[in-house]
Amino acid sequence: DIQMTQSPSTLSASIGDRVTITCRASHIITGWLAWYQQKPGKAPKLLIYEVSNLQSGVPSRFSGSGSGTEFTLTISSLQPDDFATYYCQQYNGYSRTFGQGTKVEIK
Amino acid sequence: EVQLLEFGGGLIQPGGSLRLSCAASGFTFSNYAMTWVRQAPGKGLEWVSSISDSGSRTYYADFVKGRFTISRDNSKDTLYLQMDSLRAEDSATYFCAKDGDNWNFPNTAFDPWGQGTLVTVSS
Repeated sequence: DIQMTQSPSTLSASIGDRVTITCRASHIITGWLAWYQQKPGKAPKLLIYEVSNLQSGVPSRFSGSGSGTEFTLTISSLQPDDFATYYCQQYNGYSRTFGQGTKVEIK
Repeated sequence: EVQLLEFGGGLIQPGGSLRLSCAASGFTFSNYAMTWVRQAPGKGLEWVSSISDSGSRTYYADFVKGRFTISRDNSKDTLYLQMDSLRAEDSATYFCAKDGDNWNFPNTAFDPWGQGTLVTVSS
């Protein structure tokens, strides 16, 4: 199975900050990479698919990039609604795996 | 609007069985693969199982293989997860999610997800 490693595990930031979360895969995943946002007690919400495609309705301050085994999620200017946990996920085959999550907290 | 509603969770003793259901609406259910993902309290997301649009192909994470069975009834727009030989470590919120269609499954992200149903395995 492909293992996904996110960093950092926790991130403290202020409103307006630029935030970057990194996700590394144990094998090349050829672009099948998604990012989800999850708030406490809620279901995950798809933000980005295929590395850099913004899901409909997701604010443009979210962006994704990367290739091969290293990927990033960037929030260009952190907003109050963005404090949540973020997960990367690879879907390069039937065994889809998630990163362990990055919690974005208020500084 | 696509909606997924899970039910069937609850408290069950170790070694017991439980069947989860996920009722779908707002899309042509029989055209899409479906997936179960779980999340233990305070932990991350784990893919559990997926099933193709017709139900002819099923896939499982190693930690549930041989104990859980995914199925679907396309006439009822409903996805199921039969969970047998339950263990304490199976305690989690179980989410169903819409997966890809026949052209792109399994190279698809999950969207949307249901609100989840909590399974607690404890004596």
